[in-house]
Amino acid sequence: QVQLQESGPGLVKPSDTLSLTCGVSGFSISSANWWGWIRQPPGKGLEWIGYIHYSGSAHYSPSLKSRVTMSVDTSQNQFSLKLYSVTAVDTAVYYCARTDCSGPSCYIDYWGQGTLVTVSS
Amino acid sequence: QSALTQPPSVSGSPGQSVTISCTGTSSDVGGYNRVSWFQQPPGTAPKLMIYEVTNRPSGVPDRFSGSKSGNTASLIISGLQAEDEADYYCSSYTSSRTLVFGGGTKLTVL
Repeated sequence: QVQLQESGPGLVKPSDTLSLTCGVSGFSISSANWWGWIRQPPGKGLEWIGYIHYSGSAHYSPSLKSRVTMSVDTSQNQFSLKLYSVTAVDTAVYYCARTDCSGPSCYIDYWGQGTLVTVSS
Repeated sequence: QSALTQPPSVSGSPGQSVTISCTGTSSDVGGYNRVSWFQQPPGTAPKLMIYEVTNRPSGVPDRFSGSKSGNTASLIISGLQAEDEADYYCSSYTSSRTLVFGGGTKLTVL
């Protein structure tokens, strides 16, 4: 069974960098799948941030592309998110997820439980 | 890319059917087999209910089905049950190799 678990600070100061890691168990990250991040501000909808392949190839949301970097650590079977220059609007529950791209398109099939990150001084 | 368009809310009585629409463009929803649907009860992570427009993952009841016409996809829930009350989100793969979500629809079981 594929399981994903987010970890990282729950509080980040404005203008700092938000850093999260997603540990994957039950499945090798070195596969044909893509590994991504989605966020959900309190009381609002889902926003796709981006995803990365174990090869290092990545695609990001156009609205966040200038502030986002993702990376993969195959030795630890985990992947990471960095979001730079955060403000209060970046406060959200951040989910990591597996994306299946083995068919004609891509879709998210497994989600982590999510972690709340608050941006505040 | 713009978020896909969903109605903010829908409702139905137990046993009835409801349909949730998801409208995009030819660059996302209108493309081949690009739409998926998620169920999110309060305080929980989303759960995949439909992928590639019409496919159900193992364990999802056959009361849940999907369809598409042009740039609009639909999630149909038949035989509505109290446990179906949740937020529902559509998502689409895009021609830019990204993903985009709808704004979400709150389903109320009366």
